[in-house]
Amino acid sequence: ILNVEQSPQSLHVQEGDSTNFTCSFPSSNFYALHWYRWETAKSPEALFVMTLNGDEKKKGRISATLNTKEGYSYLYIKGSQPEDSATYLCAFKRGGSEKLVFGKGMKLTVNP
Amino acid sequence: SQTIHQWPATLVQPVGSPLSLECTVEGTSNPNLYWYRQAAGRGLQLLFYSVGIGQISSEVPQNLSASRPQDRQFILSSKKLLLSDSGFYLCASTMSSYNSPLHFGNGTRLTVT
Repeated sequence: ILNVEQSPQSLHVQEGDSTNFTCSFPSSNFYALHWYRWETAKSPEALFVMTLNGDEKKKGRISATLNTKEGYSYLYIKGSQPEDSATYLCAFKRGGSEKLVFGKGMKLTVNP
Repeated sequence: SQTIHQWPATLVQPVGSPLSLECTVEGTSNPNLYWYRQAAGRGLQLLFYSVGIGQISSEVPQNLSASRPQDRQFILSSKKLLLSDSGFYLCASTMSSYNSPLHFGNGTRLTVT
């Protein structure tokens, strides 16, 4: 059974605060790690697909890092805005499998 | 880019009734297709995935089944619904390359009464 853990499960911050979430996954036979943002009443949308150890990706104020050897990825949001309020999901793919397994998500609420 | 059509958007069904949810994909060929479910207060649970026509992998033993009769069509079914089948069902598609993200449909909210 693949175990993908996300922490914290929820976070309330003030506008302008920076946030940091963690996704933990099995370190053996790594293939890819995905990050998605899921806003209320919408479908999940892809943020990043990360495949290389040490990789760092950035989209606007959001960035992510990847450590495949120790099995974790960090998602950072710099200067959170109310429109960043959403559930952030990570998903893990193991080598040799097309299965993409999600963590339980991290619900972010940014108060104006 | 891929577009995922999923219907219906909401569904209320009595316990013991059958279920059929359909998903079709535009904008790509030979995609990998997935059915996920989010139950209340839980994350996205992988139910089924398919890498080709007629090829279905089941992840969770339950009273649901999936079929892929055409390359870009994925169907989720049940002969008899249980209360525990209530949840939000999402169909997703990806190209079968290592760095392709999932594209999701708009989901079906199923309530079993």
